[in-house]
Amino acid sequence: QQPVQSPQAVILREGEDAVINCSSSKALYSVHWYRQKHGEAPVFLMILLKGGEQKGHEKISASFNEKKQQSSLYLTASQLSYSGTYFCGTASGSARQLTFGSGTQLTVLP
Amino acid sequence: DAGVIQSPRHEVTEMGQEVTLRCKPISGHNSLFWYRQTMMRGLELLIYFNNNVPIDDSGMPEDRFSAKMPNASFSTLKIQPSEPRDSAVYFCASSIETGYGYTFGSGTRLTVV
Repeated sequence: QQPVQSPQAVILREGEDAVINCSSSKALYSVHWYRQKHGEAPVFLMILLKGGEQKGHEKISASFNEKKQQSSLYLTASQLSYSGTYFCGTASGSARQLTFGSGTQLTVLP
Repeated sequence: DAGVIQSPRHEVTEMGQEVTLRCKPISGHNSLFWYRQTMMRGLELLIYFNNNVPIDDSGMPEDRFSAKMPNASFSTLKIQPSEPRDSAVYFCASSIETGYGYTFGSGTRLTVV
């Protein structure tokens, strides 16, 4: 079953912050986050394994709440290069293949 | 490393024709995935191989689709016969193992007319 992402789209000004959420109805083993720019392939950002950890990558970080089966991606002081569609991918139980959400389109304006 | 290599980048074919998409995963990656992306359905998993063995093919739409991985460095996805509703971008991705991210190829944009 596909994870649910929210919001579907967000428009920011450079320097503003954003949060993208991903929730699943299944118990999650891991959550991945990817960014895809128009006409390109998805690019891996980070992975979170069950345990409620938080990871960071420059000004992009994420959290994973195993009990709520939710993950959030935090983009702080957004840059123009952050524009794109963000996907969460989830793996449940013993499965290692990912099911992707429908994506969140992020637009950063100057 | 050259990353995941897919060919062709673009394919335009007529309905009813056979289409073969190719993928070379990153050397040393033991998991390979085929995904299809459309506006309506997003990124859908078609099939997943681990150590060249198909593990999950539940996403393969119907018998017209087949996938093989004869060795660790090559996989094909075949559609026979193709239909207009198969038009999509097909991505191949590989991963070293559990707990690591996927590396996607550049994709094959398939148009069936």
